[in-house]
Amino acid sequence: DIQMTQSPSTLSASVGDRVNISCRASQTIGNRLAWFQKKLGKAPKVLIFKSSTVHSGVPLRFSGSGSGTEFTLTISSLQPDDFATYYCQQYSAYATFGQGTKVEVK
Amino acid sequence: DVQLVESGGGFVQPGGSLRLSCEASGFTFSSYSVNWVRQAPGKGLEWLSFISPSSVTIYYADSVKGRFSISRDNAKNSLYLQMNNLRVEDTALYYCARMYSSGWDYFDFWGQGTVVTVSS
Repeated sequence: DIQMTQSPSTLSASVGDRVNISCRASQTIGNRLAWFQKKLGKAPKVLIFKSSTVHSGVPLRFSGSGSGTEFTLTISSLQPDDFATYYCQQYSAYATFGQGTKVEVK
Repeated sequence: DVQLVESGGGFVQPGGSLRLSCEASGFTFSSYSVNWVRQAPGKGLEWLSFISPSSVTIYYADSVKGRFSISRDNAKNSLYLQMNNLRVEDTALYYCARMYSSGWDYFDFWGQGTVVTVSS
């Protein structure tokens, strides 16, 4: 199985901050990497697919980069609605998820 | 709008069975692959099973192979997960998730989930 490791586990930030979340795959996955946002009681929402393609309707402050084994989700200017937990997920070999990064109010 | 609504969760004793359903609307269900994914309390997301549009291709995670069975009824726009021989560690929030295409791809829409509790 491909293991996905996210860092940090928790990130404290303020509105307007630039936020970076890292995700590392245990073996190369090309660009078959997605990022999701999860809020309590709500369905996960896809933000990014194919490592860097922004899903329809997602604000352009969200961006993704990377290939192979190293990936990054960037929120260019954190908004109040962005406090949530973020997950990376590989879909190169079945599907496995990172353990999540909780973005909390500083 | 795309909607996925899970149902069928509940409380069951170890060794028992449960059948989850996921009703789809807002898109041509028969054209998309769909999956089940779960999240145990305090744990991460775990992919469980995949079914192609015509049910020809089915995959399972090792953790549920032989105990869980995925199926779909395109006439009813519905996805199912038959769960047998349930264990305490199957306690989780179960989601259905659509894949972007008819093949293996990323999950583009998710339901809100249904809770399964396995306990004696």
